[in-house]
Amino acid sequence: AQTVTQSQPEMSVQEAETVTLSCTYDTSESDYYLFWYKQPPSRQMILVIRQEAYKQQNATENRFSVNFQKAAKSFSLKISDSQLGDAAMYFCAYSGTGNQFYFGTGTSLTVIP
Amino acid sequence: DTAVSQTPKYLVTQMGNDKSIKCEQNLGHDTMYWYKQDSKKFLKIMFSYNNKELIINETVPNRFSPKSPDKAHLNLHINSLELGDSAVYFCASSPFLGHVQTLHFGNGTRLTVT
Repeated sequence: AQTVTQSQPEMSVQEAETVTLSCTYDTSESDYYLFWYKQPPSRQMILVIRQEAYKQQNATENRFSVNFQKAAKSFSLKISDSQLGDAAMYFCAYSGTGNQFYFGTGTSLTVIP
Repeated sequence: DTAVSQTPKYLVTQMGNDKSIKCEQNLGHDTMYWYKQDSKKFLKIMFSYNNKELIINETVPNRFSPKSPDKAHLNLHINSLELGDSAVYFCASSPFLGHVQTLHFGNGTRLTVT
């Protein structure tokens, strides 16, 4: 089975600054999707950003962008101009053939006012 | 309109009881899932159904039984509840192969077994 690794259990960032969350994955597939999900204290799981592996261009959604390094199997999330509302648990996820989704263990992000 | 809805939102019950959690999606997706999130926030797949057919059944005690009456519904029944079953249970859905894959989650059910 594919594995997703988030090596940073906790991260903190000053409000308005930039922070990068790391994620690596292991797969032998060539076609797959990668995701970042956000889980605020309300426990709702919110899709932040999605990257298709066949696309070389890094996905961007407003203040959120990814650095997708396919050869290195790395998929980091950059949050620019951090806001208090960004404080949450962030999960990296992988989906390949078979419609299965694999999640990392999460990174808890604290935003310091 | 809520895309993936699950009820109840909170469930508090005693050991040994039987309980059910219901899930419905109105996205027209073919695949539905149950995930368990433990106290350390780890998300673990429990079951996956595609068009009412079970396709993933991870190592889950037999006390957990999913039921999919149609592709828009996936319910979870738990028999003889134990303290270790306390967790947040998420229902989710996704389109099947050939479509852009994204997992859509319900808001979760926090189960507390006392």
